[in-house]
This record gives sequence, structure tokens and C-alpha cells, in this order.
Amino acid sequence: NAGVTQTPKFQVLKTGQSMTLQCAQDMNHEYMSWYRQDPGMGLRLIHYSVGAGITDQGEVPNGYNVSRSTTEDFPLRLLSAAPSQTSVYFCASSSPRKGYEQYFGPGTRLTVT
Amino acid sequence: GENVEQHPSTLSVQEGDSAVIKCTYSDSASNYFPWYKQELGKGPQLIIDIRSNVGEKKDQRIAVTLNKTAKHFSLHITETQPEDSAVYFCAAKTGANNLFFGTGTRLTVIP
Repeated sequence: NAGVTQTPKFQVLKTGQSMTLQCAQDMNHEYMSWYRQDPGMGLRLIHYSVGAGITDQGEVPNGYNVSRSTTEDFPLRLLSAAPSQTSVYFCASSSPRKGYEQYFGPGTRLTVT
Repeated sequence: GENVEQHPSTLSVQEGDSAVIKCTYSDSASNYFPWYKQELGKGPQLIIDIRSNVGEKKDQRIAVTLNKTAKHFSLHITETQPEDSAVYFCAAKTGANNLFFGTGTRLTVIP
């Protein structure tokens, strides 16, 4: 199993540009989440999904969109990038069948200039 | 929402000594408390977790304790080794999938 994979690893955007961060998992997990990690602030939940077709907002959802058309994929879209979205983004997956342990991807480092 | 506080933010110990990291949470409905280790340039990796119906759990050199009444939980690492050096995060889960993280502790083990 590859686990949770994320692409790209690094990305630089200009203010106002849009892009999609990709996340995929091959563990057949029902739950998937997106977090952002900023210095001194730990990880904060952006959006999450409890199954295909179902998404919900986390702590810091503004400026981001998600969709979940398949169990495996959970892309995060930045509609109009802002410097405040400079961060490291982590995708995670988990399953209530396996005790909710969250498996994290390697992260995407995004810089918005 | 849930608020998780973590202390200390940095911790240096001599190799072989013990390290203790403490967290408090605010939501009495939280029922799952994982600890993650994050090495430079990598995603967090679960090292141990505890559920609200258990007071203590141990896995080799790592142990976690939970005091539901006081709403705090702690990570204990004994016989520390240089490879234990990393950033450690505590978290608390409420609801279906909402993990709230502490702000992290940078542990340095001095050989």
C-alpha cells in the first residue's frame, strides 16, 4: 500500500491564482481530512469528508473548497490564493472500522507571493 | 469548539533521561487522544493513543496517561534516545472526524 499520497510537494503561487492540491489513499478509508500547519499553531482542520459525496467544514474553511467523488480521492481547491494561505498542507485518512487512527500524507508546502 | 493546550513548547533532555509532555483539553465530549511524532519534512505519525475509557496505556518506552476529571493527558518517554528528537503533537477528537491539535513540543535528546 502507498498509504496517503499528496501532490505536488512544493508549489509557489501568485496572489489571485487558483490551484488544486491532490490527495489520494489506497486503504479504503471512509474518512479523509485536510489540515494546514503554520509555525507555532499546530495543525488546523480545513475540511473533512466522512464518505464519497459528503463533505463538511472544519476550523478554517474560508478560501478553500473540497469535493469527494470517490473513496480514494479528496482534492483541495484554492479559488483565489492569498498570502495568508502560505502554509504546509496535510491530507489524512482514517476509518471508524480501525479505531479512527489518522494516517497523514507527506504534505504540500505552498507559498503565495 | 475544542481547545487543546500543550506544554512545554521546547524540551531538552540528556540521552537516557525521561521526557514528559502535557496537554489539556476543554471539551468534555472528547473521547480519543492521540499523540503524533513529526520529523523534519514529513507528515505526523501516530505513536500512541488513548481512549476516554482508559486511564493509562504503555507501549515499550512510551506511555500516555489520561485524567478525564481534570481534562489533561500526558506523554511519557523513558530512556530517551537521539532518534526520539522530533516535534510531538497531542490531539483530541470530538465528533466524527474532528481532531484538534496542540501547538507542538520540540524535543531534543542530547547524546
